[in-house]
Amino acid sequence: KAGVTQTPRYLIKTRGQQVTLSCSPISGHRSVSWYQQTPGQGLQFLFEYFSETQRNKGNFPGRFSGRQFSNSRSEMNVSTLELGDSALYLCASSALSDRYGYTFGSGTRLTVV
Amino acid sequence: KNEVEQSPQNLTAQEGEFITINCSYSVGISALHWLQQHPGGGIVSLFMLSSGKKKHGRLIATINIQEKHSSLHITASHPRDSAVYICAVLYGGSQGNLIFGKGTKLSVKP
Repeated sequence: KAGVTQTPRYLIKTRGQQVTLSCSPISGHRSVSWYQQTPGQGLQFLFEYFSETQRNKGNFPGRFSGRQFSNSRSEMNVSTLELGDSALYLCASSALSDRYGYTFGSGTRLTVV
Repeated sequence: KNEVEQSPQNLTAQEGEFITINCSYSVGISALHWLQQHPGGGIVSLFMLSSGKKKHGRLIATINIQEKHSSLHITASHPRDSAVYICAVLYGGSQGNLIFGKGTKLSVKP
């Protein structure tokens, strides 16, 4: 079966712009979570969506937001981009019956200039 | 102090060596994951543990809940095992968050 698909793979944006990243989970997976990975901080949890509702949120400013659609696809948005937002953004999906198992996408590498 | 500590940060081994990567955590957890990340960024989930020991091929993962410690072992290491290995704990029950260690960068020389 198809894995977790993240688009785009690479993105370059200018400070102050906004960006939207997309994540399509494995078919049948209803939970999608988002993570930020930087060299300094490592991997950090952003938020998780389940059945179109945000179930958990990490410690990130309100400029980071997300949503989930009825087909479980999820988007995350970062507004007013800062240089420090340059990172690899990963999403992972999991099935209701396998809440502890995650399948990760390949990530979107965002560079803010 | 980080809630999830991994050691060592970097590890260089010769092909064939037995490798151990350690993970200690300070919070109560529901489960612990070992993840593998190759250059380019993609992450693969290797194991999910809530108790005991799991084995998959040359990889073995153990967890001691009382001591809040887990180890990942690689037997007969191979250059293709070169990657960053990340420990992550599921904190806050079945609807909780993942908290990640900083990772261990493993390089296996032929």
